[in-house]
Amino acid sequence: GAGVSQSPSNKVTEKGKDVELRCDPISGHTALYWYRQSLGQGLEFLIYFQGNSAPDKSGLPSDRFSAERTGGSVSTLTIQRTQQEDSAVYLCASSADRGGEQYFGPGTRLTVT
Amino acid sequence: KQEVTQIPAALSVPEGENLVLNCSFTDSAIYNLQWFRQDPGKGLTSLLLIQSSQREQTSGRLNASLDKSSGRSTLYIAASQPGDSATYLCAVKGQAGTALIFGKGTTLSVSS
Repeated sequence: GAGVSQSPSNKVTEKGKDVELRCDPISGHTALYWYRQSLGQGLEFLIYFQGNSAPDKSGLPSDRFSAERTGGSVSTLTIQRTQQEDSAVYLCASSADRGGEQYFGPGTRLTVT
Repeated sequence: KQEVTQIPAALSVPEGENLVLNCSFTDSAIYNLQWFRQDPGKGLTSLLLIQSSQREQTSGRLNASLDKSSGRSTLYIAASQPGDSATYLCAVKGQAGTALIFGKGTTLSVSS
C-alpha cells in the first residue's frame, strides 16, 4: 500500500517569506508527527496529532511555526517569516495508533536564502 | 530529560563481517524502541520495533536487543553487505502518546 508522502520534496524560499509543507499519512493512521532534521542537530520533534485530540505542540521552536491536520488525515506545517536557521529537512511520520511503529515520509528539504 | 546516544558515530567494515551498533538511553522508563535506516538524501526506513516488554526482535540478518534496566539496545547485522551502507538511527518513545527521541546515528560503510 501507499506509504507516507510529502510535498514538495524541495523548497527554496527567501528569508521572510511564508512556506507550507504538506504531509499525507498512511490511510487509517490516527497518529501523525512532524520532525525536523538539521545538519549536526539530529532529528527533533516538532508537533504530534492524535485523532481528534488537541495536538502536542511542545516541540515547535517558535510561534512562527504552526500546523494543522484536516479531517484526521492530511497535515500542513506552516512556517511564517522564514529565517535561515529554518533550513532543514522536515519529516512527517504516521502510526496506526498512539503507541505504534512510526513510518516516515521522504521529507521536504527547505532552504532559506 | 531523555537522551539517546549512539556509539560509534561512524564505522567502516569489509563485506561479510558481523557487526554491532550500540544505542544507550538515560531514562529506562520507555514504551518502545525503534531502529531506522537512512540512506543519503532519503527519509527513514523502519527496521525493527521492540516493545518495552520484549528482549529482542529479528528480521532477516538484523537482530535488535533491548536491556531496559541498563538503558541499552544493540543492533546486530550479520554477514554485512555493501548495500547495508547507510546511517542507522535509534529512537525511543517514553510513553504511548509521545514522539520519538532520536540518537544522532551511526554511519556504516561496508566495502566490497
